[in-house]
Amino acid sequence: AQKITQTQPGMFVQEKEAVTLDCTYDTSDPSYGLFWYKQPSSGEMIFLIYQGSYDQQNATEGRYSLNFQKARKSANLVISASQLGDSAMYFCAMREEGTGGFKTIFGAGTRLFVKA
Amino acid sequence: DGGITQSPKYLFRKEGQNVTLSCEQNLNHDAMYWYRQDPGQGLRLIYYSQIVNDFQKGDIAEGYSVSREKKESFPLTVTSAQKNPTAFYLCASVGQGNQPQHFGDGTRLSIL
Repeated sequence: AQKITQTQPGMFVQEKEAVTLDCTYDTSDPSYGLFWYKQPSSGEMIFLIYQGSYDQQNATEGRYSLNFQKARKSANLVISASQLGDSAMYFCAMREEGTGGFKTIFGAGTRLFVKA
Repeated sequence: DGGITQSPKYLFRKEGQNVTLSCEQNLNHDAMYWYRQDPGQGLRLIYYSQIVNDFQKGDIAEGYSVSREKKESFPLTVTSAQKNPTAFYLCASVGQGNQPQHFGDGTRLSIL
């Protein structure tokens, strides 16, 4: 069963505008962590932001914020003031306890294009 | 500097051949992971290991094998049973608590 769903294969945003990348997840574990990573064309994985299932406030890291709606099982990434360098693939991921330890699974990703 | 080293960066496999991808970390992390990424797709979990001498299958373990004899090392073997091995392979590790995964730079595997 799909655990992490990113419904937007591609998104366009104008430079300096804000953009929201969607992520929904499925788990029955009350304790889990949600992550967003950026992957430029070079292939490296860059950690952006983390939200714990028990965190009361939405996480923020500079221009990145996570809109966490626990009841809806959604963890959308908001990028404010988009820059040309934000053009990349973005992955939502969830860490939960699996057999023999914690595992992190990823969504299919959203490719973001920032237009000048 | 602490980090994860994957080698080689590019690897070519002949039909019927097993190949091994190396992953070494000096971050003193307990948990290590292998992911496969196909072009334009997300990361799919192959194997993961929480401690030395123990590892678990992920979602797409068929045709792959791993070992975890040392905390620092988690090599992945792509066996001849994996009929479509062409992909980008990423190794990751993570420490305790809510820390994000650290990733290596990846290995691109192709069929000759």
